[in-house]
Amino acid sequence: DAKTTQPTSMDCAEGRAANLPCNHSTISGNEYVYWYRQIHSQGPQYIIHGLKNNETNEMASLIITEDRKSSTLILPHATLRDTAVYYCTLVSNFGNEKLTFGTGTRLTIIP
Amino acid sequence: NAGVTQTPKFQVLKTGQSMTLQCAQDMNHNSMYWYRQDPGMGLRLIYYSASEGTTDKGEVPNGYNVSRLNKREFSLRLESAAPSQTSVYFCASSVARGVYGYTFGSGTRLTVV
Repeated sequence: DAKTTQPTSMDCAEGRAANLPCNHSTISGNEYVYWYRQIHSQGPQYIIHGLKNNETNEMASLIITEDRKSSTLILPHATLRDTAVYYCTLVSNFGNEKLTFGTGTRLTIIP
Repeated sequence: NAGVTQTPKFQVLKTGQSMTLQCAQDMNHNSMYWYRQDPGMGLRLIYYSASEGTTDKGEVPNGYNVSRLNKREFSLRLESAAPSQTSVYFCASSVARGVYGYTFGSGTRLTVV
């Protein structure tokens, strides 16, 4: 019962913007959209999260559709070090100890 | 700041042996978690500790025990290791329950033969 769906894999040219989509059509009003990534053999790394407004930090931008049923993570100038598996997940503001990741999107940055 | 530190990084056990995985965080976080990650299965929560002095079961607690030793440390114990427990184990922490980002350790790669 995955609450989010993501493409299995994507490629992006180095220096271009990488746009990673995520569908979460059954999202609840109290659920935030979170993005993490996992570089090979390392622990997952938090990237960004948002509720309904678009968000930007030093790593990425998060665009959430008005109906909140989907979102896009944008890495504005992808580098080879951005090659990783990217996970989109939902977190309830009531407390979610059961942070769960699906299989994510394997992003490969092409030189 | 070291963030979340896990030890050991690698371990090989024989079936039936016991061991404790150590985790410590230096960010003054209240909540700590243990996950396992198996190929093609994403992360699965084993146990968590919402605050010092409390622990609760996650999705896959069987065969494991935990101790929240103090605010900084959260250990995971395998009393009698089984091959099914071969996995990569991640410890994580967060400021508190709710909508806070998690900080993960670098993982312990455990093989049970």
